[in-house]
Amino acid sequence: GESVGLHLPTLSVQEGDNSIINCAYSNSASDYFIWYKQESGKGPQFIIDIRSNMDKRQGQRVTVLLNKTVKHLSLQIAATQPGDSAVYFCAEKRHYGGSQGNLIFGKGTKLSVKP
Amino acid sequence: SAVISQKPSRDICQRGTSLTIQCQVDSQVTMMFWYRQQPGQSLTLIATANQGSEATYESGFVIDKFPISRPNLTFSTLTVSNMSPEDSSIYLCSVEDTDTQYFGPGTRLTVL
Repeated sequence: GESVGLHLPTLSVQEGDNSIINCAYSNSASDYFIWYKQESGKGPQFIIDIRSNMDKRQGQRVTVLLNKTVKHLSLQIAATQPGDSAVYFCAEKRHYGGSQGNLIFGKGTKLSVKP
Repeated sequence: SAVISQKPSRDICQRGTSLTIQCQVDSQVTMMFWYRQQPGQSLTLIATANQGSEATYESGFVIDKFPISRPNLTFSTLTVSNMSPEDSSIYLCSVEDTDTQYFGPGTRLTVL
C-alpha cells in the first residue's frame, strides 16, 4: 500500500556533528514534501519543503534531498545543536489533476543531541 | 506564516463527557484541518473544516463523534463527544497556505 515511512525511529548524534534523517515514500505520484520538527509539548513546526521538480533545497543549517528514482527523502542538519532535539516528521502530498490531496505523515524520527 | 492559537492547551476530562476545542487564526485562511496525534504516534487527519458547509471527514472519523464548526475564515471548533480513555490524544489545528500546512500548539486531552 501507499506509505510514508522512516528508516530509523531514533537517532542520537553528538553536538556539532551533522544529522541525517531519512524518509521513504512509496507513491511516485507524490509531488510535494515537507519536513516538520516537533518539540515536546508543542505542535509540529515547518522546517523546509521541496517539490518534485527539484532534488535539493537548502535552508538555514538544513538541506532536504529528494531522490525520486528510489523514492527517498532526507533531511540534513548541519552542526547539530541541543535545540535540534525533537521528533522530525516527513509528510507528502499528492495533487490529483486540479485537486489538492491531503498531507500524509510519516512515523517520525526522534533526534537526540548529546552535549 | 499565520499565527494559530488553540484553547484549551490541555484538559483532563471524565469519560462520557464532551470537550470543545477552539482554534483561532490571526488571518483569513481557506483551508483549516483537525488532526489527532495519539501518544508517541504520528499525525492522523480527522477532517477538513469547511467554511459555510459541513466538514469533510476522513475514514474512521464521524460527525457524531467529532462535530466541527467553521463559522468564518479565522475560527473553527472541534468537539470530542462522549469521550472514552481511547480519546486521550493531542488534537491539532492546522491551516494551509499554498500547499504548506502550519500547526497550532495542540490541545492535550486526557480522559479518565
